[in-house]
Amino acid sequence: DAGITQSPRYKITETGRQVTLMCHQTWSHSYMFWYRQDLGHGLRLIYYSAAADITDKGEVPDGYVVSRSKTENFPLTLESATRSQTSVYFCASSPGNEKLFFGSGTQLSVL
Amino acid sequence: QQQVKQSPQSLIVQKGGISIINCAYENTAFDYFPWYQQFPGKGPALLIAIRPDVSEKKEGRFTISFNKSAKQFSLHIMDSQPGDSATYFCAASMSAGGFKTIFGAGTRLFVKA
Repeated sequence: DAGITQSPRYKITETGRQVTLMCHQTWSHSYMFWYRQDLGHGLRLIYYSAAADITDKGEVPDGYVVSRSKTENFPLTLESATRSQTSVYFCASSPGNEKLFFGSGTQLSVL
Repeated sequence: QQQVKQSPQSLIVQKGGISIINCAYENTAFDYFPWYQQFPGKGPALLIAIRPDVSEKKEGRFTISFNKSAKQFSLHIMDSQPGDSATYFCAASMSAGGFKTIFGAGTRLFVKA
C-alpha cells in the first residue's frame, strides 16, 4: 500500500550504459511525471504523461526516453548515460488536480 | 530559462522567528501556485497552495501572500520551529498545460533552537 514507489533507491553506472529507473503507483492517478533534482536548479521536469500511451516532453528531455503502457507504471530510460545525468530522480503522480505526490527518489551516479 | 525564481537560496532563523521565502514567475498563464516541503532523503510533499484569485491563504503557521500584478508570491512561516528545517520549493502550474508543474530552485531553511 505504498502509493508511489521508485526503484532502485541507489544506482551506480558507467558512461554509455543504458539505465532504466522504475516508478509504480497504486492510486490509478492519470498523470505521472519525472523530475531531476540538482543543487541550484531545484526540480526540473524531464517528461510527463497524461494517461497510458500519452507522453510529452518537459524542460530537460534530452537523453531520456519514457513509456507508459500501463497507467500504474512510468519507467524512465537513459539510453546512453552521461556524467551530467548524475542526479536524484523523482517520480510523481497526480489525479489531475495539480497536487503532486512524489516517490522517495532514485540517486543515480554515472561514473 | 527559469520560469520561477526563488530566493533566498538558504535561510537561518531563530526558533520562534518568522521565515520568509520569496518567488517570482513570468508566465501569466500559471493558475496554481503550490509550496512543497522536502526533508533529507525524502520526496517533496505539498505544504500549501494558492490560486491567483486570492491574495492570501493561511494554514496554521504557514501563509502564502500573492501579488498578481507583480507576479510574486511568498511563504511566511510564523513561530518557526526546528522541525521546520527543510528545503522549500515554490512552484507554478497551469491546468491548460497538462498540470505541468515548474519549480523554483529551492530554499534550505535551518531553524536554530
